[in-house]
This record gives sequence, C-alpha cells and structure tokens, in this order.
Amino acid sequence: RKEVEQDPGPFNVPEGATVAFNCTYSNSASQSFFWYRQDCRKEPKLLMSVYSSGNEDGRFTAQLNRASQYISLLIRDSKLSDSATYLCVVSRPTNDYKLSFGAGTTVTVRA
Amino acid sequence: SAVISQKPSRDICQRGTSLTIQCQVDSQVTMMFWYRQQPGQSLTLIATANQGSEATYESGFVIDKFPISRPNLTFSTLTVSNMSPEDSSIYLCSVVGTGNYEQYFGPGTRLTVT
Repeated sequence: RKEVEQDPGPFNVPEGATVAFNCTYSNSASQSFFWYRQDCRKEPKLLMSVYSSGNEDGRFTAQLNRASQYISLLIRDSKLSDSATYLCVVSRPTNDYKLSFGAGTTVTVRA
Repeated sequence: SAVISQKPSRDICQRGTSLTIQCQVDSQVTMMFWYRQQPGQSLTLIATANQGSEATYESGFVIDKFPISRPNLTFSTLTVSNMSPEDSSIYLCSVVGTGNYEQYFGPGTRLTVT
C-alpha cells in the first residue's frame, strides 16, 4: 500500500465552482500534514499546513480526519489561477523531518 | 521562508557522463534534502544531506550513483554519476523551515540524458 494515495483527477471545473478532493495516508503515527501546489514545470510550493481542528486560508479549507486517516482540501469560488496539481504530503513517523508525497490531484479551472 | 537557488536550471547530457547540481540557500538551515521527480510522477526522496558527514540515502539510492556534499549550512551538491536515460528527471533540493516540518523547494534542475 502506498504511504499517501490521492485521486489523480483531473477535476475540470468552471470558474466560481467549488471543488474538493481527499487523500488517504497509511501510517497512523504520522503527525504533520500539508497541501502543496505544483504548477507545470515548477517546484512544489506550500499551500497550507493541515491542523487537527481543520483550517482555512481564504478560499482554501483543509480538514484532517485522524480516525479515518484522510485529509481533504476544498477550494471555493475557483479561479483560473487555481489550475495546478495539488500534492498531499504527510510527515513520516520517524521524527526526522522526512515527508511522503502523494502523486497529486490535477485541477483545471475553465472560463 | 528561505530563498533557494539551484544550478544549472537544466542540462542535456550524454549517457555515461556525470552532472553536479548545486543548491544554495540564503540562510543557514539544518535540514536539507534532495528529491527526484520523474516525468509524470510525484517526488521521491533521494537522501538527506548532512552537514559535515556522509549523506543518508533512502532505499534504492546509493552513494556511488548519487554522491552528495554538504560543506556548510547554506550549500549542498548532488552528483548524478554515470548517467543513463533513466536518470532523466527533475532534481530538487529542499530545506526545512524553522521549528516545523514545512519544506521549501528550490526551482529544480531539469536533466535530460541522451
């Protein structure tokens, strides 16, 4: 089983729509969770950390469900500039700052 | 977050040759990593670059193929040795932010081996 699994998509949505997707992680001892955004031919950039209580950053909302070992990301009022691949990232439970990356979910926002 | 640069940004190399990639950070960082991202894939950790000691390699990666140097807290190099077309990939360095697990990535080096 992969350490982090994501629905690859693609999710094709119109501008202004809401899009949501999940990822699951295999190791219940993982402690830190992130969403990264990767644009085509660019490096991954941190979008947001995910906290146990859930957190929101503008139009982006992240949720963590430790019991079911999944993380979600919701994007409201989608913009064309939200088109990207979103990587679900989970810290390894080895306390050495290493991360495991999902394969990414592709989102395309159309006009 | 730290500003990270990598050189070269891209290169086309012949099989059997070696390429050394540099990663420079604008501030001292404790943890630095090297990743590979093959076409259409996600990131795979190659190794942890340890300052003043040998790098720690992940399963499937060996020092003879990917020697790493980390002479100080702001600089590291990754060499891809005896290259084959299967080494064609993007190579990225990353650093850990202060006091948390957040990692920040350099712009990557796009390597094509012919």
